Amino acid sequence: DAGVTQSPTHLIKTRGQQVTLRCSPKSGHDTVSWYQQALGQGPQFIFQYYEEEERQRGNFPDRFSGHQFPNYSSELNVNALLLGDSALYLCASSLGHGAYNEQFFGPGTRLTVL
Amino acid sequence: GQNIDQPTEMTATEGAIVQINCTYQTSGFNGLFWYQQHAGEAPTFLSYNVLDGLEEKGRFSSFLSRSKGYSYLLLKELQMKDSASYLCAVIGADSWGKFQFGAGTQVVVTP
Repeated sequence: DAGVTQSPTHLIKTRGQQVTLRCSPKSGHDTVSWYQQALGQGPQFIFQYYEEEERQRGNFPDRFSGHQFPNYSSELNVNALLLGDSALYLCASSLGHGAYNEQFFGPGTRLTVL
Repeated sequence: GQNIDQPTEMTATEGAIVQINCTYQTSGFNGLFWYQQHAGEAPTFLSYNVLDGLEEKGRFSSFLSRSKGYSYLLLKELQMKDSASYLCAVIGADSWGKFQFGAGTQVVVTP
């Protein structure tokens, strides 16, 4: 049973560029959430996708956008990259988007902005 | 808004017990999760509390008091592999599926 997978593992970009990160949920899961984790901090909620729509959003600017595909996989897009966007980006999947649903995390994508 | 506080770091000896506290202030409450995260790896689920009381799962136990906005994670018979960051995450009311994480507590287990 494949767990949550993310690609790429690592990425280096320069300020002003755009980046797309990808996530495939655990088999049988239909909900994907994205988090940003700065070094030494806990993950910060970016947004959650269910039924191909954004259902919840954290305190992130519109430069952060996403998409969910019919097969439940998801993309996170970040435009006009800033140095402060350097972080580990985690994807988590769950079955349904209710409060009681355990979220399974992928290994993350380490983004470095120079 | 939501505020979740936990200590930055704790050190304990192999075989000992460590208790990691988490206090939270949220707009309503729909559950509290504990996750373990080894350096460079994804967080992994440890426990979930939604009602007051103690949930025991092997060497790990988690306690919740909703009236006090307080939880703790108890790690017993510490092993070297328990050295990791432990994350407390809360779901407030009207925040279905939106986890609010604390900054994490780095536990260092020494021989």
